[in-house]
Amino acid sequence: AIWMTQSPSLRSASTGDRVTISCRVTQDISTYLAWYQQRPGKAPELLIYAASTLQSGVPSRFSGSGSGTDFTLTISGLLSEDSATYYCQQYYTFPFTFGQGTKLEIK
Amino acid sequence: EVQLVESGGTLVQSGGSLRLSCTASGFIFSTYDMNWVRQAPGMGLEWVSYISASGTIVYADSVKGRFTISRDNAKNSLYLQMNSLRGEDTAVYYCARGGKGGSRLDYWGQGTLVTVSS
Repeated sequence: AIWMTQSPSLRSASTGDRVTISCRVTQDISTYLAWYQQRPGKAPELLIYAASTLQSGVPSRFSGSGSGTDFTLTISGLLSEDSATYYCQQYYTFPFTFGQGTKLEIK
Repeated sequence: EVQLVESGGTLVQSGGSLRLSCTASGFIFSTYDMNWVRQAPGMGLEWVSYISASGTIVYADSVKGRFTISRDNAKNSLYLQMNSLRGEDTAVYYCARGGKGGSRLDYWGQGTLVTVSS
């Protein structure tokens, strides 16, 4: 199976800040990578797919980059509503696998 | 509007069986791949199973031989039959639609909680 490692596991930031979350993968997955946001008690929601394509309806302050084994989710101009856990996921091959999650706290 | 509504989660004894359902609306269900993903309490996301629009099925090793995914396109429904349940199967189970052109999970249901007691 392909392993996904996210860093950091926990990030604290203030409203208006720019934050980046890293996702490293154990083998080349091209751009078959998605990012999800999960607010407490809610289902995950798709933010980014194909490493850098914004899902319809997702604010443009979210962006993704990378290919191969290194990927980044960037959130610019943080809002309080961005407080959530973020997951990366590879869909290059089965079994689909997720990163362990990055919890983002807004001060 | 795309909607996915899971049901069937409950408390079940270890070794028991349970069938989860997911009812879809707002899209042409028969043309989309579908997945089950679970989340143990306080933990991350774990992909469980996939069924393509054409019927190809894949399972995670952790559930292979115990769980069965199926779909009924006439009823716009996805199912997960879970047998020989274990404590480690305790989780919220989500159904999730596979996006066109690649299996990112573009819409998720609200989840249904399965608790396996010993």
